Amino acid sequence: AQTVTQSQPEMSVQEAETVTLSCTYDTSESDYYLFWYKQPPSRQMILVIRQEAYKQQNATENRFSVNFQKAAKSFSLKISDSQLGDAAMYFCAYSDNNDMRFGAGTRLTVKP
Amino acid sequence: SQTIHQWPATLVQPVGSPLSLECTVEGTSNPNLYWYRQAAGRGLQLLFYSVGIGQISSEVPQNLSASRPQDRQFILSSKKLLLSDSGFYLCAWSGMGLAGGNYLRGNEQFFGPGTRLTVL
Repeated sequence: AQTVTQSQPEMSVQEAETVTLSCTYDTSESDYYLFWYKQPPSRQMILVIRQEAYKQQNATENRFSVNFQKAAKSFSLKISDSQLGDAAMYFCAYSDNNDMRFGAGTRLTVKP
Repeated sequence: SQTIHQWPATLVQPVGSPLSLECTVEGTSNPNLYWYRQAAGRGLQLLFYSVGIGQISSEVPQNLSASRPQDRQFILSSKKLLLSDSGFYLCAWSGMGLAGGNYLRGNEQFFGPGTRLTVL
């Protein structure tokens, strides 16, 4: 089974600064999708960004961008100009034809 | 617009009692439906998914079962709860699979508000 690893249980960032959350995954598939979801204290899961494995260009969504390294099976999330509302649990997720896996999450704290 | 509902929001049940959690989706047809469990301080574990009425696939062997009696209704059940069943249960839906038809690939999943289950 495919695995998703988030090696940083907790991260903190100063407001307006940049932070990068790490994610690695293990798969033998060549075609798959990767996601970052955000879970604020309300526990509502919200999609932040999505990356198709066949695309070389890194996905971006406003202040959120990813660094997708297919050969290294790495998918990090960069949050620029961090805001207090970015404080949440962030989950990396993997999806292919037969599988959907989430990492254990990284708790991000934003300091004012 | 599409919405997803879960109830109850919070549930405390004794060991050995039955369980029924309900999830309904509005504003879409033929959704793919999912049940996840999130243990305290941990990520999401996919429990069941359904691509249509009466079609249930189980991801992990466990004390739980799922049913889809209607197109937009997904129910998570147990005949006898265990202490280990405690957790946060999330229901999610997604649209039909991308070209190629696979239900999991690439589609954003929209999550419900969740049910916090405590088994005592």
